Amino acid sequence: EVQLLESGGGLVQPGGSLRLSCAASGFTFRNYAMSWVRQAPGKGLEWVSAISVSGGSTYYADSVKGRFTISRDNSKNTLFLQVNSLRAEDTALYYCAKLGDGNSFEAWGQGTLVTVSS
Amino acid sequence: QTVVTQEPSFSVSPGGTVTLTCGLSSGSVSTSYYPSWYQQTPGQAPRTLIYITNTRSSGVPDRFSGSILGNKAALTITGAQADDESDYYCVLYMGSGISVFGGGTKLTVL
Repeated sequence: EVQLLESGGGLVQPGGSLRLSCAASGFTFRNYAMSWVRQAPGKGLEWVSAISVSGGSTYYADSVKGRFTISRDNSKNTLFLQVNSLRAEDTALYYCAKLGDGNSFEAWGQGTLVTVSS
Repeated sequence: QTVVTQEPSFSVSPGGTVTLTCGLSSGSVSTSYYPSWYQQTPGQAPRTLIYITNTRSSGVPDRFSGSILGNKAALTITGAQADDESDYYCVLYMGSGISVFGGGTKLTVL
């Protein structure tokens, strides 16, 4: 069974940073591209970032480009999202997702909450 | 900037059929966008329903189907049930690693 377990969220002041992690199990992590999707309270889903199987290619939504960095450690089956220069509008539940055929979001974690507030 | 459009809300009677759509602010949706659909109930993570336009994810009942209707992607629910009351999101793949979610449709079954 595929499992994705996010961690690292919390309360942070504007301008602060966090490192989100996603521990993957139940599949061969190194064979799949991965992604982060977020959902602000009461709002819809927003694609944030994606990374290729090797980590050599990374992709970002315009809203986070230059502030967020996605990475992965295939030896530890873990996906990361370094979030810097946080703004109030970054407050959201951040989901880790396994990418499947057609770049679809094949499996989802339960999310980790990031709250940006002074 | 690419905007993916969905009906904000829709209503269906139990046992009825409803078609939700997913369009583009500029242009037509085709299979080249690999449209996918997700169901989300309050407090839960999204659940994958359909990918690559019309392929059902494992365990998804066959009353959920995907297609291209005209210039939009479509999700049809046949024989709607009470527990289909959820938010539904479509995603279009823009290429170069970029995906865009629609704003979601809140489906009410009553």
